[in-house]
Amino acid sequence: QKEVEQNSGPLSVPEGAIASLNCTYSDRGSQSFFWYRQYSGKSPELIMSIYSNGDKEDGRFTAQLNKASQYVSLLIRDSQPSDSATYLCAVKVRRSGGYNKLIFGAGTRLAVHP
Amino acid sequence: DTAVSQTPKYLVTQMGNDKSIKCEQNLGHDTMYWYKQDSKKFLKIMFSYNNKELIINETVPNRFSPKSPDKAHLNLHINSLELGDSAVYFCASSPSPWDVPYGYTFGSGTRLTVV
Repeated sequence: QKEVEQNSGPLSVPEGAIASLNCTYSDRGSQSFFWYRQYSGKSPELIMSIYSNGDKEDGRFTAQLNKASQYVSLLIRDSQPSDSATYLCAVKVRRSGGYNKLIFGAGTRLAVHP
Repeated sequence: DTAVSQTPKYLVTQMGNDKSIKCEQNLGHDTMYWYKQDSKKFLKIMFSYNNKELIINETVPNRFSPKSPDKAHLNLHINSLELGDSAVYFCASSPSPWDVPYGYTFGSGTRLTVV
């Protein structure tokens, strides 16, 4: 089982719709969760972080966390063509020595069409 | 001002050669990382240094050797390059290796092509 799993997509949504991106993780001890956006040929850019169960909203983005189900999601409201990118789910896991490291899912490609 | 900068941006080289990638961050972070992103876009951690000390060393061929002369710099040297080493290599940094709430800041990446 992969540590962080995402549907690779592509997820195609019309402009103005809500895009829903999902992620599951295997390490129950994980404490922090992140969503990165990566445009083609560019570096990953942090767009959301969440640590507590429930929802966290930032502009058009809402991150949702359910630790019992080991599930993280990202909602993008009023999707725009400029949101078309690969969205990477990342989970911070603790390893030996107490160090944390960020483990990424394979990413979901989102395509927003006019 | 670029927060995490890598050089070179592109690197094309022949099999068997040795090459280096350099990374510098001006965020004042203590911890730096190397990630490899393969053709399927999967981003995988390779190494981490905290204040010049190697703290994470994933299962990576020993042809890859990181070096950190100070906490603001992390270099990656690759010996005897193979076709399978072709990928995009990202440097990243974070305030510390123990913190929970912070994500990593990534550099712009180095696209390595081995021919």
